[in-house]
Parts: sequence; structure tokens; C-alpha cells
Amino acid sequence: DQQVKQNSPSLSVQEGRISILNCDYTNSMFDYFLWYKKYPAEGPTFLISISSIKDKNEDGRFTVFLNKSAKHLSLHIVPSQPGDSAVYFCAASGYNAGNNRKLIWGLGTSLGVNP
Amino acid sequence: DAGVIQSPRHEVTEMGQEVTLRCKPISGHNSLFWYRQTMMRGLELLIYFNNNVPIDDSGMPEDRFSAKMPNASFSTLKIQPSEPRDSAVYFCASRPRDSSNQPQHFGDGTRLSIL
Repeated sequence: DQQVKQNSPSLSVQEGRISILNCDYTNSMFDYFLWYKKYPAEGPTFLISISSIKDKNEDGRFTVFLNKSAKHLSLHIVPSQPGDSAVYFCAASGYNAGNNRKLIWGLGTSLGVNP
Repeated sequence: DAGVIQSPRHEVTEMGQEVTLRCKPISGHNSLFWYRQTMMRGLELLIYFNNNVPIDDSGMPEDRFSAKMPNASFSTLKIQPSEPRDSAVYFCASRPRDSSNQPQHFGDGTRLSIL
């Protein structure tokens, strides 16, 4: 049972346009969300995060939007660049029964930015 | 500043052999995570340590898997005996402290193939 879902396995956009990657979650106890980016043969690297007390967080070309009522978040990349081509993972966390945090991950969306 | 270091990068071995994966977390980080990535299930948390103590090993698939963290700068994940279905990429990650929203930092993974 996937608690964090990225329903689009892949996405292709033109350089300079906006990339929108989507993520849905089912557990209302999640209160912190992260996006990671992964290149082939490398580990995931942290990109941007958002707390549930906010609905938007921006860092340069990257913006994450959170809609708690819909249990949905999205990552916007504007403008998209060929170097953004990678797999993007959505992850969520909340305190579990042991008062510890662990991340629950989506399966990833492969983004291709065409020159 | 060195990141999370994993060894070996690639491992090919025959079914039934013992496999040991190694991880050196970032200095000063006191939470360490072992993940397994497969196409079908994505990134799955196997076990995580806080201050060298295993906190949650509910993701360890079966008794053939074991993990240790004898000190703050070293951890191992052992599979004995290995089976073809253990073939995957195994990632180690570390984080500055537990119960926090600090992002995890990943190594580049060990690609394991069991023949």
C-alpha cells in the first residue's frame, strides 16, 4: 500500500518551459515533505522541502506547493534546463509510534528536459 | 567535506555467498539509514540507527539480513546467505540528528547482483 504516490513515471518538457511534478499522499499524519533529485549511478540529493504549516516554499527555480486538504504536493521548475533531467522523488515524514521520524518515498518521476 | 561513502560500488556474487556492504556516514551525523532500491518497490527503508543504536528494523526483509553500527563512523549491512532476489541498489544515508526535519544525505549506493 503506497502511502506516497507519484502517478507519472515520466515527464518530458522543452527547455525554458515549466516542469510540474506531482505527488499525492494518504497519511494525514505526515507533516513534512521533501523532494530529492537523482542522477544515474548516484545517490538521491536533497532539493527542497516544505512543512505542513506552509503551503509554498521557493528556492531559486524550484517551488514546492502543498495542498493539505487534497493531500497533494507539486514541484515546479521554472525555467527548466537540460541539467534538470533526472529522477525526482517525493518523500514524506511524520512521527511514528516510537516518536521517531522516517521517510516514506514515492517511486519517482523521470524528468527529461529537451534542448 | 566528504559525503556519505559506500563500498563497494558494485558487487557480483553467486547465490549462497555472504555479502557485506559498508558505509561511512558524514562526520557529526548521528542518524544512519540503510535503503534498498528496486524498480518495483522503489526506495525501501531497511533499518535506521540513532547514536549507533538500531531504532527501527521493521524493513529488514528476513533473518538473512543483519546490520551493525559498531561506532559513529562505520556501519555494515550483511546478507547471508544471499539470494538472486536480493539483487538491488543499496543506499546508505546519514542525517545530523534524529527526530528532526534535517534532510538525509545519501551515498552513491552499492549495486548488488546475485547470480
